[in-house]
Amino acid sequence: KAGVTQTPRYLIKTRGQQVTLSCSPISGHRSVSWYQQTPGQGLQFLFEYFSETQRNKGNFPGRFSGRQFSNSRSEMNVSTLELGDSALYLCASSLALGQNTEAFFGQGTRLTVV
Amino acid sequence: DQQVKQNSPSLSVQEGRISILNCDYTNSMFDYFLWYKKYPAEGPTFLISISSIKDKNEDGRFTVFLNKSAKHLSLHIVPSQPGDSAVYFCAASAPLKGGGADGLTFGKGTHLIIQP
Repeated sequence: KAGVTQTPRYLIKTRGQQVTLSCSPISGHRSVSWYQQTPGQGLQFLFEYFSETQRNKGNFPGRFSGRQFSNSRSEMNVSTLELGDSALYLCASSLALGQNTEAFFGQGTRLTVV
Repeated sequence: DQQVKQNSPSLSVQEGRISILNCDYTNSMFDYFLWYKKYPAEGPTFLISISSIKDKNEDGRFTVFLNKSAKHLSLHIVPSQPGDSAVYFCAASAPLKGGGADGLTFGKGTHLIIQP
């Protein structure tokens, strides 16, 4: 059974640009969550999608957005990139919405903003 | 304000001995706790979890203990093996009013080094 797939693995963008990251969850998993990992802040919850709807959101500005498609694949978008957005962005999938089932993480997308 | 704290950035343990990783939390609404292990250039891997209705959960060499009154949990690995060298993250979730659970709140991790 394939794991969580995130593309691309690495990305370099310029300040002010926008970026879209993609996540394909484990087959059968309907919930997709996004996290940002930085050396200073650790892993921080961005948002969670279930059945194409955002069900839960962390404390991030509106420049961070996402969506989920009918096949449960999810995309995350960051607009007007800032240097501080440089981070590892991790996607996690789980069977259902927040039913205390463990989340399975992808390898992440390493975003560098220059 | 950090709601989940792992106060030891690193821990060195001799192979074969017990590794004890600690985690403290401040949010009394947390009702589910998880430990993840992370190798460089990989995403976190789920290790073990515990619900707040329990005080201990065991899976092979891994045991998690929860002390709700102290808002403290710990992960015990025994015996420690070289492959256990990784960063360990403690995570917690709270229930949402409408049902389900909130996103995971992570600690900043403890780098466990197993020495031969």
